[in-house]
Amino acid sequence: KNQVEQSPQSLIILEGKNCTLQCNYTVSPFSNLRWYKQDTGRGPVSLTIMTFSENTKSNGRYTATLDADTKQSSLHITASQLSDSASYICVVSAVNAGNMLTFGGGTRLMVKP
Amino acid sequence: EAGVVQSPRYKIIEKKQPVAFWCNPISGHNTLYWYRQNLGQGPELLIRYENEEAVDDSQLPKDRFSAERLKGVDSTLKIQPAELGDSAVYLCASSFFGVGSPGANVLTFGAGSRLTVL
Repeated sequence: KNQVEQSPQSLIILEGKNCTLQCNYTVSPFSNLRWYKQDTGRGPVSLTIMTFSENTKSNGRYTATLDADTKQSSLHITASQLSDSASYICVVSAVNAGNMLTFGGGTRLMVKP
Repeated sequence: EAGVVQSPRYKIIEKKQPVAFWCNPISGHNTLYWYRQNLGQGPELLIRYENEEAVDDSQLPKDRFSAERLKGVDSTLKIQPAELGDSAVYLCASSFFGVGSPGANVLTFGAGSRLTVL
């Protein structure tokens, strides 16, 4: 069964600090992995999308890494801001599965001043 | 561009009442999704359309849920009758699904419709 597990479930950090969110998956065969940011009361917004051959991808202060061998991804947030408070969802797509996406449960991040 | 538009944003109903949600996807997107998201959890797929065809509705509780995508554009999701456990956010998303082009298959989500069943 295709699964995506995220950790931690929730995280509180101080403004200006860095943090790393984890995503482990069992989706196979792997096609791509996306990180979404979901602000409270809004729909998820795409941050990055990574294919099998990509190890690192950055979007501003967000850097995603992918290890396809260990089936792990991380999202690193640098110099956190209050606006980074949101849920971060890892989504994995399988090859030849049509448009099937497997969602993780998300990590809820709170950045405090 | 307006993005994916959903309405209503909020709906409060009593159990056993019907409710309907509407979604207008991004122009040109051939794939439309309805997801249900419970508090603190990731979205769960209810139904996926490619153009007018429902290609994956395996997770849709068909005894009370129904959906349609009119002319391959707008879509409605209906619940009748609603139960207490249906309280959740219903997210609509759209994408252009092109084989071999993962970047073109990025979902754009609407803001969601929050349903509270009393």
